[in-house]
Amino acid sequence: AQSVTQLGSHVSVSEGALVLLRCNYSSSVPPYLFWYVQYPNQGLQLLLKYTSAATLVKGINGFEAEFKKSETSFHLTKPSAHMSDAAEYFCAVTSKGAGSYQLTFGKGTKLSVIP
Amino acid sequence: NAGVTQTPKFRVLKTGQSMTLLCAQDMNHEYMYWYRQDPGMGLRLIHYSVGEGTTAKGEVPDGYNVSRLKKQNFLLGLESAAPSQTSVYFCASKLSAGEQFFGPGTRLTVL
Repeated sequence: AQSVTQLGSHVSVSEGALVLLRCNYSSSVPPYLFWYVQYPNQGLQLLLKYTSAATLVKGINGFEAEFKKSETSFHLTKPSAHMSDAAEYFCAVTSKGAGSYQLTFGKGTKLSVIP
Repeated sequence: NAGVTQTPKFRVLKTGQSMTLLCAQDMNHEYMYWYRQDPGMGLRLIHYSVGEGTTAKGEVPDGYNVSRLKKQNFLLGLESAAPSQTSVYFCASKLSAGEQFFGPGTRLTVL
């Protein structure tokens, strides 16, 4: 079984400030981890993914995430928030070797950026 | 490539009516998925398919049926719609490994 916990359903940051969105996972086997972004009234778009290569993963739009096995975490960061980053962000986990490659999503974190 | 497309974009149903949502992908992906998204709940898997002619239940399958007669299409059916099925429905597809690609969603309201 696998699960994802995203701490904070709503995060507000000032434009130019650090963005930190937290994700903790549980998985009985080595995981693949993903961050997706959803802009209003749109589908989900992949930001970045961890698939057991480098533990620091860089994604689109200046985002990155670090896989920490000891902490079972995969937090998403961006050094300087931009107004266009306002969206909802979802962390997701799937397990290597799972025949169906099912994704389990967290409940999402809505990011607001204050001018 | 159009990627993943969903039809229709919006629909309003009355309780007890039936409907079918169509998902199509032009990326030759083996795996296809149907999710529902509700406020504060994230995305929950309804049904999925690992290949043409195969389907399986996800986390919340009750009240829904699916079919995958062609590799590029994955249909989601509601036999007798209920207000609890008011939601935004997303289809996704992927190859055997790698990320899922999502469609734009269908917003369904059941009165």
